[in-house]
Amino acid sequence: DGGITQSPKYLFRKEGQNVTLSCEQNLNHDAMYWYRQDPGQGLRLIYYSQIVNDFQKGDIAEGYSVSREKKESFPLTVTSAQKNPTAFYLCASSQGFKQPQHFGDGTRLSIL
Amino acid sequence: DAKTTQPPSMDCAEGRAANLPCNHSTISGNEYVYWYRQIHSQGPQYIIHGLKNNETNEMASLIITEDRKSSTLILPHATLRDTAVYYCIVRVERGSNYKLTFGKGTLLTVNP
Repeated sequence: DGGITQSPKYLFRKEGQNVTLSCEQNLNHDAMYWYRQDPGQGLRLIYYSQIVNDFQKGDIAEGYSVSREKKESFPLTVTSAQKNPTAFYLCASSQGFKQPQHFGDGTRLSIL
Repeated sequence: DAKTTQPPSMDCAEGRAANLPCNHSTISGNEYVYWYRQIHSQGPQYIIHGLKNNETNEMASLIITEDRKSSTLILPHATLRDTAVYYCIVRVERGSNYKLTFGKGTLLTVNP
């Protein structure tokens, strides 16, 4: 089945550590996105990528980094500079910016 | 993007139609209405979208009023698995519009 796979489902980080969240899609979509969701809140855009080797900052990019070396992969690194990293992280993809975005099942990151 | 207003919660009996309203009185002519839903601890799921004509797919129907100031998502035969938060989003379909803005949505509870 085609879809978006995020791993791991749960992730724990110690203070001062960087962690990388995986997002893989086999939908052949050009665009990919990372959102963050906090309890009782809507989604906030972290980074997005329209094509391979290109990505842009979203509304809350500070403390995060991404890469887009392959069309199907868009990993997100949460760096130690992100002061409040505990959240639910969602990856999405779409055929283009004008098409509906489809989401993975998320990674829940917690600080130990 | 235009702001949307949804009731915070609704109940529906299993097997009945669930009609979820959304007001978007400031919608402009080139803005589409999108519906997503999010089951607890999962990623949002795309349901349907439309501009001004009514739309139907295998999941739901979308009814948009003639003045486009409101819409209704219809789940024709609700099941317990349809219990989720439903989000109505208004979005411009242009190349630079890359993010989805989720409000608080409507928590639909389907009761046996």
